[in-house]
Amino acid sequence: EAGVAQSPRYKIIEKRQSVAFWCNPISGHATLYWYQQILGQGPKLLIQFQNNGVVDDSQLPKDRFSAERLKGVDSTLKIQPAKLEDSAVYLCASSRTDGLENEQYFGPGTRLTVT
Amino acid sequence: AQRVTQPEKLLSVFKGAPVELKCNYSYSGSPELFWYVQYSRQRLQLLLRHISRESIKGFTADLNKGETSFHLKKPFAQEEDSAMYYCALSGINTGFQKLVFGTGTRLLVSP
Repeated sequence: EAGVAQSPRYKIIEKRQSVAFWCNPISGHATLYWYQQILGQGPKLLIQFQNNGVVDDSQLPKDRFSAERLKGVDSTLKIQPAKLEDSAVYLCASSRTDGLENEQYFGPGTRLTVT
Repeated sequence: AQRVTQPEKLLSVFKGAPVELKCNYSYSGSPELFWYVQYSRQRLQLLLRHISRESIKGFTADLNKGETSFHLKKPFAQEEDSAMYYCALSGINTGFQKLVFGTGTRLLVSP
């Protein structure tokens, strides 16, 4: 089966610009996650969707970050305006459901550099 | 609050040597612990979880609630084990999986 797809793979922008990332989860997976991984750290959950509803967005900086999952399939994560500290790899993951027994499958990530 | 600590950024061993990657956690409820691995130029993937009690690629990990640890062990390291390893925790009292990751340990196995 095809894995989680993400685009773009790399993005370089200047601070105060806007950027959007796209994620296509594994077909049939109801749960979708966005993680931020800053260099030298582990992934940090930003937002979790169950179908097209938000389950957890407690660590999403809502003044500048937004995410949506229309129709419960693809998802986009947007940053507007970007700050230098947003430089990171943004990982998308999906799982069959949000149950504890389900494995999360990760995409290749989008590496964002903010200058 | 949930917290995962991996004290070693880098662990370097020779092929055939035993390996132990340390993971300690802090969580007030009942945790579910995982090890994820990222090989060079590959995606982050699940290696094993404590609830399955499996041995994957020769790796095992035992949850020690008294010491709040979930160390990853392998008796004889292989060169192909070289990778980045992340310990992760999910609290089960939320009813759904919410992973908190440690900072990771890079394992380098030399010939």
